[in-house]
Amino acid sequence: IAGITQAPTSQILAAGRRMTLRCTQDMRHNAMYWYRQDLGLGLRLIHYSNTAGTTGKGEVPDGYSVSRANTDDFPLTLASAVPSQTSVYFCASKREALPNYGYTFGSGTRLTVV
Amino acid sequence: EDQVTQSPEALRLQEGESSSLNCSYTVSGLRGLFWYRQDPGKGPEFLFTLYSAGEEKEKERLKATLTKKESFLHITAPKPEDSATYLCAVQFNNNDMRFGAGTRLTVKP
Repeated sequence: IAGITQAPTSQILAAGRRMTLRCTQDMRHNAMYWYRQDLGLGLRLIHYSNTAGTTGKGEVPDGYSVSRANTDDFPLTLASAVPSQTSVYFCASKREALPNYGYTFGSGTRLTVV
Repeated sequence: EDQVTQSPEALRLQEGESSSLNCSYTVSGLRGLFWYRQDPGKGPEFLFTLYSAGEEKEKERLKATLTKKESFLHITAPKPEDSATYLCAVQFNNNDMRFGAGTRLTVKP
């Protein structure tokens, strides 16, 4: 089934530890995104990639990094986790980085930093 | 500052009771307004894109409309399976889609 796979589904992480959230899509979409969703705040963009080999910062990039080595994969790394990074993380993609397309989202990773 | 505000935060309807959800925005250079549906524990699912004032889109019991400063999602004769959180998002450049906090809809049988 075409779509986005995120792993892990959920994770409890000790503060100060490093963590990589995985995101893989099989739709050959060029544009990929990482959002975090917090109650009452909605979805906020962390980082994006318009095409393989390029990345950019979104609204809340501090404490996070991304890479885009190929079309399919877009991992998100927390170098040293802090409790404020407790959230649900969604990876999304669309065919091109243009307004004409809506996102396809993954099912999310629920991260708790303690 | 660019903002997207959805109201109400939560809405409880009886099955068959039609209503509307609101999304207002203060964004310069709107390039598209999107509606998504999100079920508990899942990622948002794309519903509609609207580009210009006066535009309307329909899908089953849902109809989305757009004016210069807001969008409405009209739900006609809702069913319990329409219960979900509905998210509005505004795109004002290629790389930034700003989301509202959502309206949580519950439809009772």
